[in-house]
Amino acid sequence: GIQVEQSPPDLILQEGANSTLRCNFSDSVNNLQWFHQNPWGQLINLFYIPSGTKQNGRLSATTVATERYSLLYISSSQTTDSGVYFCAVVDAGKSTFGDGTTLTVKP
Amino acid sequence: GAVVSQHPSRVICKSGTSVKIECRSLDFQATTMFWYRQFPKQSLMLMATSNEGSKATYEQGVEKDKFLINHASLTLSTLTVTSAHPEDSSFYICSAPTRWIGGYTFGSGTRLTVV
Repeated sequence: GIQVEQSPPDLILQEGANSTLRCNFSDSVNNLQWFHQNPWGQLINLFYIPSGTKQNGRLSATTVATERYSLLYISSSQTTDSGVYFCAVVDAGKSTFGDGTTLTVKP
Repeated sequence: GAVVSQHPSRVICKSGTSVKIECRSLDFQATTMFWYRQFPKQSLMLMATSNEGSKATYEQGVEKDKFLINHASLTLSTLTVTSAHPEDSSFYICSAPTRWIGGYTFGSGTRLTVV
């Protein structure tokens, strides 16, 4: 099956800093999503981005499908951004999740 | 929009009992529902796919007699953990395809603790 790798596994930032999270996938996919899992476990859909670039406030994402990677940018990070960020790719109707990046934003 | 409502959010049960988890699509019809399990500090692993009106498809290694999945209607899918044991303690989460807004919408998850 398709492999999804996320980096870095852990990231610690000071409030206000910027960061880039990466998601590599091993084969072409139908779609890709980025999620934020908050400390209570709830998965929040951030972006549905099979290709191109999207922005939503302080967050933006870019997927280069031909090179099989996606990037999630977080600018001016806040403590509420803490949690685990997952990318998930869909192939043949099934979602495969990466192992996630655990982000800790310190005040 | 699209909302998938999952209940309960937390449940503690005794070893040997069964627990039912429900996922409802509130404002759309979900002909398909995916069920995932997440162990602490790990990623989500697909357990099974339920389809309204037909049998669920289970991933390799998932016991279909232990994790009973029913997709009774276009808005309700249930996962029943039968004869639960402590090793079944985990976070269970469902999702439904919501292509009109892009991608998939997830329920809020159920944290199961078997004591």
